[in-house]
Amino acid sequence: GQNIDQPTEMTATEGAIVQINCTYQTSGFNGLFWYQQHAGEAPTFLSYNVLDGLEEKGRFSSFLSRSKGYSYLLLKELQMKDSASYLCAVNTGGFKTIFGAGTRLFVKA
Amino acid sequence: SAVISQKPSRDICQRGTSLTIQCQVDSQVTMMFWYRQQPGQSLTLIATANQGSEATYESGFVIDKFPISRPNLTFSTLTVSNMSPEDSSIYLCSVEVRRGAYEQYFGPGTRLTVT
Repeated sequence: GQNIDQPTEMTATEGAIVQINCTYQTSGFNGLFWYQQHAGEAPTFLSYNVLDGLEEKGRFSSFLSRSKGYSYLLLKELQMKDSASYLCAVNTGGFKTIFGAGTRLFVKA
Repeated sequence: SAVISQKPSRDICQRGTSLTIQCQVDSQVTMMFWYRQQPGQSLTLIATANQGSEATYESGFVIDKFPISRPNLTFSTLTVSNMSPEDSSIYLCSVEVRRGAYEQYFGPGTRLTVT
């Protein structure tokens, strides 16, 4: 079957660094996405990894290991506005993208 | 990037009726996608809509229940037919953009409540 696992909730302090992990088992792999979703809003694209390694984009970085079926999203210099759900999603081929249940991140002062 | 608008933003509908959701993109795109996000859950792909051809539906979704139109490269509609309370959800339109890297964008969503 298709499975994407990520922690349900995480809490971190403003200014700190947080790492959100995602593991996946899918029938195919054509890339992994991370999205940010604030309550009541649509998901916002953050990153796309198709090759192993780290992709850095400002305060956000995303890492992929295809052999381990593992990715993480790293958020640095946390701000209150980073409080949101973070969705890990895998494109399994063609146009099929499967989403994880999301990780709700709470940033506290 | 792509800017996507959806109408209506929200609606409350009675059981047994149908609602058509419109999705407009500010640029021409080949593929458009319709997702559903039920309360507290993640996104589930309903179907993929390619201009000029029949939509491709995911397991658990059928054309009679969720007919889709894709008349041109910037517009699509999703109809939720013969609604029941179980159809209460947020429906999101999405497009993919390939300009070097791959990116996927979502519309603001349509929040549907069926009573």
